[in-house]
Amino acid sequence: NAGVTQTPKFQVLKTGQSMTLQCAQDMNHNSMYWYRQDPGMGLRLIYYSASEGTTDKGEVPNGYNVSRLNKREFSLRLESAAPSQTSVYFCASEAGLRETQYFGPGTRLLVL
Amino acid sequence: EDQVTQSPEALRLQEGESSSLNCSYTVSGLRGLFWYRQDPGKGPEFLFTLYSAGEEKEKERLKATLTKKESFLHITAPKPEVSATYLCAVQAPGGSYIPTFGRGTSLIVHP
Repeated sequence: NAGVTQTPKFQVLKTGQSMTLQCAQDMNHNSMYWYRQDPGMGLRLIYYSASEGTTDKGEVPNGYNVSRLNKREFSLRLESAAPSQTSVYFCASEAGLRETQYFGPGTRLLVL
Repeated sequence: EDQVTQSPEALRLQEGESSSLNCSYTVSGLRGLFWYRQDPGKGPEFLFTLYSAGEEKEKERLKATLTKKESFLHITAPKPEVSATYLCAVQAPGGSYIPTFGRGTSLIVHP
């Protein structure tokens, strides 16, 4: 039981390049989330998926797209990376409303 | 405007020196308040969930309490291994119950 896994662990991009961050959970959870964490800003929600087949914008969605591929997997795509997207990205999952969120280990992204 | 405010931003303690971290919130109709621990370079790890004022939860040297306006994470006789950043999150009916996180308190316990 791996919980929530994220790939890659670390990535360096040049401005304008694209990439997809992968997230998978093996807890049969319905809801999945993507956050970014910046110094002094706390965790900010980018997108979430309340259930398979649905996705919704969070607080800071601009510049990102997501895909809920199936119940296990939720990917985050940067179509044209910008230096402002340099951050640590966390994926999380939860079984349902009022439930605890379980976080992955994070992806550290540097955009030059 | 922040719905969740954590204080202090940073706290340094000597081993054995008890203290408390604060999480104040302004949401109405709180559905749940969560405490997480985050070690450097890792994802947040769940500690406690509190649902109603007056509720308390305890784990080892940590105790979380909840009132109608704030939550405290009490740390009793801490050891260096509790050094971490502690995050608070609140869940309210608005916004599809998506939790809102505070900015965290960085705790360092010196031996």
